Formats: sequence, C-alpha cells, structure tokens
Amino acid sequence: KNEVEQSPQNLTAQEGEFITINCSYSVGISALHWLQQHPGGGIVSLFMLSSGKKKHGRLIATINIQEKHSSLHITASHPRDSAVYICAVKYSGGGADGLTFGKGTHLIIQP
Amino acid sequence: NAGVTQTPKFRVLKTGQSMTLLCAQDMNHEYMYWYRQDPGMGLRLIHYSVGEGTTAKGEVPDGYNVSRLKKQNFLLGLESAAPSQTSVYFCASKQTGKDTQYFGPGTRLTVL
Repeated sequence: KNEVEQSPQNLTAQEGEFITINCSYSVGISALHWLQQHPGGGIVSLFMLSSGKKKHGRLIATINIQEKHSSLHITASHPRDSAVYICAVKYSGGGADGLTFGKGTHLIIQP
Repeated sequence: NAGVTQTPKFRVLKTGQSMTLLCAQDMNHEYMYWYRQDPGMGLRLIHYSVGEGTTAKGEVPDGYNVSRLKKQNFLLGLESAAPSQTSVYFCASKQTGKDTQYFGPGTRLTVL
C-alpha cells in the first residue's frame, strides 16, 4: 500500500517561530496537496504542488520530486495557525479515487 | 454559494439502526467522495462517484452504501450501524480535470 508519512505528528511552538512540517511518499506522484483542518473540523486546501515552490502569505510549500519529499513552512507563526495540517498525494496513474492522505500534523502555537 | 454542505452535523445511533448522511454541492462538480476520519489515521475513502448515476468503492466500503441520483447530491447509507462506524464523515467534491477537492464541514457519528 502506498503510504504518505508526515512528521512531526505533534508540534507545539511559541508565537513568532518558524515552523516546518514534512511529508514523504513512496512512489511517483502527479500532485501533492497541503490541507488545513481547523479546530472546528473544517478542511480547506492550502496548496497544490507538482514541482518547485509556492507561497501564500506566511505559508510556503516546497516539493522535491527526486527525494519524494515536501515541506510546509509557516513564517512568523501566530496562534491562529493552530490546526492540523494534512499532506495528500495523487499517485501517478491514479484513477478517479483521488488522493491518499497522511495522518496529519497537529500544530499548536502558543502566545 | 454554499459550497459543500452535509446533513446532519451530529448523530448518535444505537447498534443495528440505519441512517443516511446527505452531501450536497452547488459547484456543479462531477466528482464526489465520502471519507471517514478516525483518530491517528488519515482520511480514508469509503465510496466515490464520477458522475450522476455512478458510484464506486473506495478503500473501506464495507457496511456502507451510496447513491448519486442527482449530480448535486451524494448520499451515504448505513444499513445496520456498528460501533466500528463511529467516526467523523467528510464529503468532498471536485471538478473534472482538477485535483483540488472541496470539503464539507463533517458529520460526527457515534454508534453505541
């Protein structure tokens, strides 16, 4: 079974710290997604990557296709960034059944 | 636009009872998905649909049935609920040719 591994599982940091969450996968992919799940439960898509780097505000996502690895960075972290961050991949040749999800990284930013 | 909505938000069932979860989307998306989310596990696909009138099994389909009679609605049924089906259920939809999925707010189901 193709796996998506995230690290760390849990992360607590102080406001203002630079945050890095990692995601690795086992076989070739056509796309990688980062999603955010708020404490209330809603899930929103942050980024979709197939190569390189994307930036949105204080969030930066990078992917290294050769190493089968992606990172999500948060600069100048804030308590409102507290959430579960989920990595998901679309495997190359994958059908309509869509994405394979990691278990998520639970991030807490303390004031 | 409401996006993706789910009904109900919470439900408690007794073992053996049946129920239907409703997912509705107003984005004219062809693809719709039902996932379950359990502690310590990633989202797992139960069933999905690539268009009106079509459904297919995902990773964990046992104990569930689905129907897609209208393009905008995707129903998830539990015919005889079991405690192992206690979970949070998410519906999602996406456009043809795109990978980004849009999620509903979730339904928290407890089976006693």
